[in-house]
Amino acid sequence: DQQVKQNSPSLSVQEGRISILNCDYTNSMFDYFLWYKKYPAEGPTFLISISSIKDKNEDGRFTVFLNKSAKHLSLHIVPSQPGDSAVYFCAAYQGAQKLVFGQGTRLTINP
Amino acid sequence: ETGVTQSPTHLIKTRGQQVTLRCSSQSGHNTVSWYQQALGQGPQFIFQYYREEENGRGNFPPRFSGLQFPNYSSELNVNALELDDSALYLCASSLDGYTGELFFGEGSRLTVL
Repeated sequence: DQQVKQNSPSLSVQEGRISILNCDYTNSMFDYFLWYKKYPAEGPTFLISISSIKDKNEDGRFTVFLNKSAKHLSLHIVPSQPGDSAVYFCAAYQGAQKLVFGQGTRLTINP
Repeated sequence: ETGVTQSPTHLIKTRGQQVTLRCSSQSGHNTVSWYQQALGQGPQFIFQYYREEENGRGNFPPRFSGLQFPNYSSELNVNALELDDSALYLCASSLDGYTGELFFGEGSRLTVL
C-alpha cells in the first residue's frame, strides 16, 4: 500500500529549462511534506518542505507546490543545472516520527 | 559540526546470520531514526530512538532491534538474516524528535547471500 507515489521513475531535462517532479499521496492526514535529493553513495539530503497550511514554498531555484484537494505536490527547479542530476524523493510525515517516502524519480539534466 | 556517520559502509552476510550496524548522530542531535531502502524503492521507516527509548516503529518484525546509547549514537541489529534484508540501511538524526528535516548518513549497504 503505497501512500506516497512518484509515478515517473525517470525524467530527462535540458540544462537551463524547468524540471517538474510530481508526487501524489493518498492519506489525507498528511500535513507536512518534504523533498530529498540523493546522489549515488550518499545519504538523502533535505531540499525543501511545505506545510499543509501553505500551497507554495520557494527557496532559490526550488519551489514546491501543494494541491491538497488533489493530494498532489510538485517540485519545480528553475533553471535546471547539471548538478541537479540525482534521485529525488517526495516524503510525508505520518505522525511525529515516521517519514513515508515515494519510490523516487531519477532526474537527468542534459547539457 | 560533524554530520551523521555510519559503519560499516558495505558488508556481506549469509542467510541466518546476525548483523549490527552503527550510527553516530549529528552533533547536538538526540534522536536517531533508521530506514531501509531496497533497490529501486524509497526508504522505509524501521524505528526511531529518542533519549535511549524506542519512540515509534514501522512495519518490521521483532528480529529488527535497536539501541541508543547515552551519547545518542545508535545500533541497528538484525537477527536471522533473510535474502530480502539485502538493502541500504540509512540512519538519520534530528533534535527532540522534531518533525522536520532529518539529517541522513550515507548508509550501510547490506548484502545477504
